[in-house]
Amino acid sequence: DQQVKQNSPSLSVQEGRISILNCDYTNSMFDYFLWYKKYPAEGPTFLISISSIKDKNEDGRFTVFLNKSAKHLSLHIVPSQPGDSAVYFCAASEGSTGNQFYFGTGTSLTVIP
Amino acid sequence: DVKVTQSSRYLVKRTGEKVFLECVQDMDHENMFWYRQDPGLGLRLIYFSYDVKMKEKGDIPEGYSVSREKKERFSLILESASTNQTSMYLCASSLWQFGAFFGQGTRLTVV
Repeated sequence: DQQVKQNSPSLSVQEGRISILNCDYTNSMFDYFLWYKKYPAEGPTFLISISSIKDKNEDGRFTVFLNKSAKHLSLHIVPSQPGDSAVYFCAASEGSTGNQFYFGTGTSLTVIP
Repeated sequence: DVKVTQSSRYLVKRTGEKVFLECVQDMDHENMFWYRQDPGLGLRLIYFSYDVKMKEKGDIPEGYSVSREKKERFSLILESASTNQTSMYLCASSLWQFGAFFGQGTRLTVV
């Protein structure tokens, strides 16, 4: 059973606009969430994370929002740039076990110049 | 900067061969992971290790084994490669749960 879900396999956005990538999870014990960016033929790179004690974390153009009651998180990219075109994975982990990350299936973002 | 290095970028093996994928990290991380990435399925955990000589099965361990004799090195072994193991294999390491750092990936093709 997929514990972390990204229901949109792809997203296209105009350069300069906001990109919103969504992620849902089912395990209420998850307490740490991460977003990764992946270019073709490369490994994923860490982008931004959020702990369950927060509902928002910002890093430059990237902001992650966490809604624990809805078991939902989202990544906002503002403004979107062509170099942001990649596959984005969200991931979650549970503090008590600490070791395992559960990944979503990914959303392919295309930023159109 | 954390560096996770996988021994090969591209690999072609024959059905039935024993295949070794090597991964080395240089940040003294306790945890190491092997994932495979397939279209539409995201990243699926094969095995992980939280200490030397310790290993835990992930979601899809069948057909794979692992070895962690030293802290910095985590090997994935395909005992008898099959065509359904053609995939992108990704190794990662982490310190507790605070983010995993990935290698560049190994694209394995089994023919």
